Amino acid sequence: AQTVTQSQPEMSVQEAETVTLSCTYDTSESDYYLFWYKQPPSRQMILVIRQEAYKQQNATENRFSVNFQKAAKSFSLKISDSQLGDAAMYFCACDTGNQFYFGTGTSLTVIP
Amino acid sequence: EADIYQTPRYLVIGTGKKITLECSQTMGHDKMYWYQQDPGMELHLIHYSYGVNSTEKGDLSSESTVSRIRTEHFPLTLESARPSHTSQYLCASSEYGAAEQFFGPGTRLTVL
Repeated sequence: AQTVTQSQPEMSVQEAETVTLSCTYDTSESDYYLFWYKQPPSRQMILVIRQEAYKQQNATENRFSVNFQKAAKSFSLKISDSQLGDAAMYFCACDTGNQFYFGTGTSLTVIP
Repeated sequence: EADIYQTPRYLVIGTGKKITLECSQTMGHDKMYWYQQDPGMELHLIHYSYGVNSTEKGDLSSESTVSRIRTEHFPLTLESARPSHTSQYLCASSEYGAAEQFFGPGTRLTVL
């Protein structure tokens, strides 16, 4: 069975510092996509970053980057230079095209 | 910019009422989804569709039903609302295959 696990229900980071959110997944498929979504309080869920499993290079979007370890089935999100607007729930997700799963989420607090 | 709409945004109704939550997308996406989410908590998939006349139940048992008569429209109906249905309902859509999901703003339902 395919699963996505986020082992950190809550994380906090000082403004301007760096934080890493963990995610592990399990799938028997060889081709799949991994995603990190952000859901700010009372606001719409949006995509933060995406990684194709066949690509070895880690995806980067401005201050957001991932550490994709395919053999270990690990997909962590690093947020650099954290800003107050980064405070949100972050969900990790895996999509094989036929199946998809979201993790249980990590609530990130940014401390001024 | 994602064009996926949900109405109403907020709904307060009495027990036993029949309600329909609307979801529409203008992106021509084949896949559409309904999630139930309590504030700050994980997403629970309740229904999904891979195209017109295709609907499936998700992981979370739900007393709701859905229909997909048109590609752009994926309404969710509760025949008899109960207080246990109080939650936020998120609609999402994606292209066919493994792809990011675009989320609507959500409907916050309260059943008294």
